[in-house]
Amino acid sequence: NAGVTQTPKFQVLKTGQSMTLQCAQDMNHEYMSWYRQDPGMGLRLIHYSVGAGITDQGEVPNGYNVSRSTTEDFPLRLLSAAPSQTSVYFCATTSWGGRGNEQFFGPGTRLTVL
Amino acid sequence: DAKTTQPPSMDCAEGRAANLPCNHSTISGNEYVYWYRQIHSQGPQYIIHGLKNNETNEMASLIITEDRKSSTLILPHATLRDTAVYYCIVSANAGKSTFGDGTTLTVKP
Repeated sequence: NAGVTQTPKFQVLKTGQSMTLQCAQDMNHEYMSWYRQDPGMGLRLIHYSVGAGITDQGEVPNGYNVSRSTTEDFPLRLLSAAPSQTSVYFCATTSWGGRGNEQFFGPGTRLTVL
Repeated sequence: DAKTTQPPSMDCAEGRAANLPCNHSTISGNEYVYWYRQIHSQGPQYIIHGLKNNETNEMASLIITEDRKSSTLILPHATLRDTAVYYCIVSANAGKSTFGDGTTLTVKP
């Protein structure tokens, strides 16, 4: 099992460009989440999904879109990249309901916006 | 999610127990206490979680006070590889967690 995979590992964008960060999981978990981590800080929740077709906003959703068409995939789209979005992005999954269950994190995507 | 307070940094001698405290005085009855750690810039790694009772697994022990307003993560025999940032999270929903800045644990030889 691959667990949680994220692509790309590194990305450099220019201001105004758009891109999609990919996240895939093979654990059949219903719950998937996107976090960002700025240098020296903890993780902040961007968007999350409780199942295919259902998404909701987290703490810092502005500038990002998500969709969940399958259980396995949860892509994060940057609509028009800004330097403030320079960060490390982590995808995570957890099993149904999210209560009393651990999250499994991917290795992260390191994004730089110039 | 309830807010947590952790010391920004701690040191521990290799081979000794590391005791990492966390205050969560506003915790609600349905919220769990989770601990994760992050080594370098890797994705956070789950350690342990609990609701009311103390918990132990192969990595650590979690001690939750009777009033649930604070907890302690115990690494019984810290090694150099345990040097990491440790996050204490209180949440009713693991998929919607709020991470604070955590405690940087440095294990010294």
